[in-house]
Order: sequence, then structure tokens, then C-alpha cells
Amino acid sequence: DAKTTQPNSMESNEEEPVHLPCNHSTISGTDYIHWYRQLPSQGPEYVIHGLTSNVNNRMASLAIAEDRKSSTLILHRATLRDAAVYYCILGETSGSRLTFGEGTQLTVNP
Amino acid sequence: DSGVTQTPKHLITATGQRVTLRCSPRSGDLSVYWYQQSLDQGLQFLIQYYNGEERAKGNILERFSAQQFPDLHSELNLSSLELGDSALYFCASSRRTGTYTGELFFGEGSRLTVL
Repeated sequence: DAKTTQPNSMESNEEEPVHLPCNHSTISGTDYIHWYRQLPSQGPEYVIHGLTSNVNNRMASLAIAEDRKSSTLILHRATLRDAAVYYCILGETSGSRLTFGEGTQLTVNP
Repeated sequence: DSGVTQTPKHLITATGQRVTLRCSPRSGDLSVYWYQQSLDQGLQFLIQYYNGEERAKGNILERFSAQQFPDLHSELNLSSLELGDSALYFCASSRRTGTYTGELFFGEGSRLTVL
């Protein structure tokens, strides 16, 4: 499985944008970039995924570098409820399992 | 609420015992995945079933086994339990296998404590 690298932790203030980076220099052409988050005492929750183009949904935006070796998850206005561990994961189009790394612990300050 | 139901939510048992964890996927989802999350190893993929058939295997111990039944619910059986098996066990479901659609739906987990 191709590997991703994320910072261990990040901090943000409530109602400010948050940019969570992810490096995936060994990504293959068929790997999708997925983001999940895990709130305390809950199961992981899907956030967003993309292949080459930037993606937006109601939760977040995903900005993918032109060479696809890095991506950034953007939370436009952080809330206290967004405090969680955020996982950046590469998934093969031919397979369906996800390999979770360590993720980034996001702290949101009031 | 993801629509994935796991029981029991909490389970305390002794070393050497056997337990069964149950998962009901979202309505219409054919794939079921099991993950283990312990403090020192993060989220580890164990096994995947699709429509009753095993499709992928991860870091699942030989003491562990799983199956998916005709009604699509799945059970994870853990036997000869050791202290190190204490963890959160998550079940997830998705609609398809093969071409990945991007989204797994996770249950709230079963917390197993082995004393």
C-alpha cells in the first residue's frame, strides 16, 4: 500500500479555515485520495475523496497538487465539533480496503 | 448514525475465552469490513467479505475468524483471547467491491476488554 505522511497534530481557532496537509509521493496513477476523520469514541467517518481534480462537498474541500504527490483537506470554518483525528488514505480503484495511518489530531480552540 | 449496527458495545471477558462480535451493515450494502483499533497499533484492517464470500485479508490472527451470512450480517469470532486482544473492533460496510466508490460507513465499534 502506498504511504501517506501527515503532521501528528495541528491547532486551529473556531470559525477559522483549517488546511490539513498530506504527502503521498509514491502515489500510483490509479490511487484515489481519501480523507476520513474519527471523533473521540466514535468510528471513522468519511469526509471526502478525489482522484485528480479538486473536490468540494458539504463537509470540506480537497485540493490535489498537479503532480498528485500531495493534497490538502480544507475545512472552511472550523467548529469545536471538527476536533478529531483526520486520516489521509490512498485507495486503489481495483480494491476496496483502506489502510489507515496515524493521522493528524486536530484541536479546535474556542 | 451511519446505519451500521454493532453489538455488543462493550464486552469484558477473561483470557482464554471466546467471544463473537456482530455487525449489521447498512441496508443494501454487500461488503463488510472488520478493523481493530488498539492504543499502540492504530486502525488495522482485519478482513473483508462481499456477499458472503471472503474478499480480502489483512492482519487477522489465526485465532480470529469471520463470516458473512446470507442476510449479509457478519460475525467476528475471537478465540483463545489474550490481554493484547483488548481493543475496539469496528465494522464498516459499503455498497460495492471491485471499483471503489470512496465511502465506507463505520459502526460505533465493540470495545473488548480481556482481563
